[in-house]
Amino acid sequence: AQSVSQHNHHVILSEAASLELGCNYSYGGTVNLFWYVQYPGQHLQLLLKYFSGDPLVKGIKGFEAEFIKSKFSFNLRKPSVQWSDTAEYFCAVNEVTDKLIFGTGTRLQVFP
Amino acid sequence: SQTIHQWPATLVQPVGSPLSLECTVEGTSNPNLYWYRQAAGRGLQLLFYSVGIGQISSEVPQNLSASRPQDRQFILSSKKLLLSDSGFYLCAWDSGGGLPNIQYFGAGTRLSVL
Repeated sequence: AQSVSQHNHHVILSEAASLELGCNYSYGGTVNLFWYVQYPGQHLQLLLKYFSGDPLVKGIKGFEAEFIKSKFSFNLRKPSVQWSDTAEYFCAVNEVTDKLIFGTGTRLQVFP
Repeated sequence: SQTIHQWPATLVQPVGSPLSLECTVEGTSNPNLYWYRQAAGRGLQLLFYSVGIGQISSEVPQNLSASRPQDRQFILSSKKLLLSDSGFYLCAWDSGGGLPNIQYFGAGTRLSVL
């Protein structure tokens, strides 16, 4: 069965530290890739997406992610985190028009 | 612009009581609609999805059911709640049409079954 793995369950960083959250998936075909973020008390919202084209995608608030097909990965990065980035981050994948499969999420805490 | 409404925000129900959670979408036609359950450390589990009125697909066997009586209305129900039904339920929509889509989520309902 298709699956999405987020190996970092809980990440704690100080402000200005760099961030990389891992996401790996098990699909063999063409995929769409997403990172969603859920800030405390807010809706789950889209952070960035990859459908095709440049494998390095930019999202809101300075986040970016790189699709590496050979590694089945779509890691999320930010060079310098802020306290306001404290949230839960979910990677999600689907095969073209199929249902989204979500990872288990990574809880990020940023301390000032 | 499109908006998604989900209510109630929180709900406390006794075991064995019925459940009805409602989700409506505005500003779009013929959306795909989804019900997820979010559990700590487990991510989002897809419970039901619908590509049109009266068309419901169930992803996991459970005590819950879903209905889509109108194009932009999606209801999650149970005849008799179990303790294990406690959780955070999210409704979502996308524009369908067979193209890669972004899903948009409601604010969620936190259900506690006591």
